[in-house]
Amino acid sequence: SAVISQKPSRDICQRGTSLTIQCQVDSQVTMMFWYRQQPGQSLTLIATANQGSEATYESGFVIDKFPISRPNLTFSTLTVSNMSPEDSSIYLCSVDLSGSKGYNEQFFGPGTRLTVL
Amino acid sequence: GENVEQHPSTLSVQEGDSAVIKCTYSDSASNYFPWYKQELGKRPQLIIDIRSNVGEKKDQRIAVTLNKTAKHFSLHITETQPEDSAVYFCAASIQAAGNKLTFGGGTRVLVKP
Repeated sequence: SAVISQKPSRDICQRGTSLTIQCQVDSQVTMMFWYRQQPGQSLTLIATANQGSEATYESGFVIDKFPISRPNLTFSTLTVSNMSPEDSSIYLCSVDLSGSKGYNEQFFGPGTRLTVL
Repeated sequence: GENVEQHPSTLSVQEGDSAVIKCTYSDSASNYFPWYKQELGKRPQLIIDIRSNVGEKKDQRIAVTLNKTAKHFSLHITETQPEDSAVYFCAASIQAAGNKLTFGGGTRVLVKP
């Protein structure tokens, strides 16, 4: 597997503001993803962070609300813009890694717990 | 798109008993089915996975079965221990299409000593 870190680990923000979450991996990876986990719920894919091109967003998520950067193969950021209390969630990045099994497996970062007041 | 249903939503078992969690998926093109364990306040941890060319896979006390025809797969935990208490998520993806995971709703497992 790889070492995946996220910053910040948690934050409390005021509505109307924006927060940028960072995801760092200790090895180069092709595929990076961003998920949202609302309180007590499952994980929902927000977007695929593509290196060198725009992110690919899933239905229900838009670039204006969740702009994503992927400047290189080890780093990505997710911004939660113009926040409202409904954005209070855990945001997780994940990476696809080719392991000893001969196929890709997906591993998650520790998550960023966001509370919007 | 893919839809994954997971049952039950909660499961309480006595220590030493077995636990079974079932998932169904909708997209017949899905070919990769991982299971994640998430302890309170922690990240989801990959515990076992199965690909569509395999019907069953076992790793110590954990096993996963896949029925492609019926489009369902299951997680079996034998000889449960208190440390197995967690939320378990199944997921499905098409690996050739970027491995975007669609998750089931999760099962909260409580192992009572």
